[in-house]
Amino acid sequence: EDKVVQSPLSLVVHEGDTVTLNCSYEVTNFRSLLWYKQEKKAPTFLFMLTSSGIEKKSGRLSSILDKKELSSILNITATQTGDSAIYLCAVGGGSNYKLTFGKGTLLTVNP
Amino acid sequence: DTEVTQTPKHLVMGMTNKKSLKCEQHMGHRAMYWYKQKAKKPPELMFVYSYEKLSINESVPSRFSPECPNSSLLNLHLHALQPEDSALYLCASSRDTAGANTEAFFGQGTRLTVV
Repeated sequence: EDKVVQSPLSLVVHEGDTVTLNCSYEVTNFRSLLWYKQEKKAPTFLFMLTSSGIEKKSGRLSSILDKKELSSILNITATQTGDSAIYLCAVGGGSNYKLTFGKGTLLTVNP
Repeated sequence: DTEVTQTPKHLVMGMTNKKSLKCEQHMGHRAMYWYKQKAKKPPELMFVYSYEKLSINESVPSRFSPECPNSSLLNLHLHALQPEDSALYLCASSRDTAGANTEAFFGQGTRLTVV
């Protein structure tokens, strides 16, 4: 059975801190790993990482895929209160090529 | 335009009612999905349509019935639901099936309450 595990499950930091969120996976026929940010409603797409694109960066957010360790990290530097959200990791692949989600990391950034 | 539009945003229905959730995208995506999300849990896949054909049904009860009238529209017909079916229902779309190196974009969801 495909599995995606995120850690930590929750994290509280102060504005300006740097955070690292982790995602590990066991998925047959791995194709891609995606990071989403979810506030009140729909998950918002952040990054997609594949074998041909193992590192992505956008502003204060960056992500790396380690295919050897079957894991990924999402880094957020100089955190702001607006970064408070649930960060979801999803892996595309598996026997039916679908997205399998981890349980998410709840990030709280205090002023 | 990376927009997936879902209607209605909120729905309250009785256990004997019949209602439908609607989802629309105009990005030319050929894969569309229904997910169910309970509070403080990740989204759970319900159905996948690929090129307007149902390709995955994750053992969803028959009181949920999906329909894909064309490549831009996805419906979820609801009948005889139970209170435990109350959840956020999310629609998503991608260029192709999500494993094939394409990202999935989500709609804002329908908050469903069954009374």
